[in-house]
This record gives sequence, C-alpha cells and structure tokens, in this order.
Amino acid sequence: AQSVTQLGSHVSVSEGALVLLRCNYSSSVPPYLFWYVQYPNQGLQLLLKYTTGATLVKGINGFEAEFKKSETSFHLTKPSAHMSDAAEYFCAVSNYGGSQGNLIFGKGTKLSVKP
Amino acid sequence: SQTIHQWPATLVQPVGSPLSLECTVEGTSNPNLYWYRQAAGRGLQLLFYSVGIGQISSEVPQNLSASRPQDRQFILSSKKLLLSDSGFYLCAWSVGTSEAFFGQGTRLTVV
Repeated sequence: AQSVTQLGSHVSVSEGALVLLRCNYSSSVPPYLFWYVQYPNQGLQLLLKYTTGATLVKGINGFEAEFKKSETSFHLTKPSAHMSDAAEYFCAVSNYGGSQGNLIFGKGTKLSVKP
Repeated sequence: SQTIHQWPATLVQPVGSPLSLECTVEGTSNPNLYWYRQAAGRGLQLLFYSVGIGQISSEVPQNLSASRPQDRQFILSSKKLLLSDSGFYLCAWSVGTSEAFFGQGTRLTVV
C-alpha cells in the first residue's frame, strides 16, 4: 500500500527566506509524485510532478522538488519566499502507469510567510 | 480549454436530509472523474472515481454514493446525511495519464 508523510503540519518562514517542505512516501511500485497547493476555500492547483526522467523537477511560482529514491523523499523547495506563497501544500503519490487522479495525499503543510 | 464546475460552493444541511452535489467538465471527452473529501483531521481522501458512464468505483465505504449519468457529469449523493459527512468536497478530472485537475470545491456543513 502507498502512503505519504509530510513532516510538519505548520511551517513559518520570513519573506525572502528559503522554503523547505518535507515529504516522504512509501510505495511498492515506482511512484508518480506530486505537489499541490491550496489557497483558503479553493481547490487544489498542481505545482509540479515527477513521473520519470530527471529527478529534479521545476514547477510554477519558482518551486522545485527532487525525487530521491534512496531516501524515499520528494521535498519541495523555493529559494526565496513571497507573501503570496502562504497557503497549504499537499504532497501526493499515485501508481506508476496508472491514473494520476487516483492519489494518496499527505495531511498537508500550512505555510505562513512573515513580512 | 478544459474547465471544471462544482456547485454549490457552500451548503448547510440538517442531519438526515438528502444531498446532491454536481460536477461537470467542459472541453474534454471521456475523462476520468473523481470525488475527494477533505475533512478536519483526516486530510484529503479519495471517495469515488469513474472511468466511464455508469462505471463507479468506491474507495471508502460510507454514507455516500456517486453516479455518472453523462460523460462529463459526476454526482455525489446521500439519502440521509450524518454529522460526520461534513467537509470540503472536491471534484477532479484527468484524461489518460495526465495529472488531475481540481474544481473549486463545495463546503458542506451538516448541522
């Protein structure tokens, strides 16, 4: 069975500081990995995804994530936080070769950005 | 371009009342459709998915049901709501091996 663990339900950073949101996964098959962002009372927007190929994935809004198979991790980073990055972030996994809509989500990390 | 519509945006219903939430997708054919629920303390959970008209797979046994009467229409229903049905319900679609695209969600409060 697949699972996703996001370390830290709340992360607070200062504007301009590095953003690091942690995600570890468990999967018995090669995974597809995703990061979604959710603003209050809105749906989820895809930030980036890893399916195959290059392990460093770049997404929207300056975010990137690196797939590390040996560490079963897919941490999300952004070099310099902006106030508009304040939102909740979800890491998710789906089966390789399967539908990318059948997702197992982590519990989410709420990011606060201080001025 | 493809769009997904969910309604209503918010809903307050008494315990024991019926429920019908609707989701429609435009601009694509034969999408995979999904209902997710986001509940306090339980994160995001896949409830149902459908790969075609009349084809529904249930991921979690519960008080809810889903139907797909048309190719791009997905309905979430309940005959009698429970307090535990409160949450934020999200519809999503994907095509083939593409990623999932989510609607804006429905906030359901059962009182």
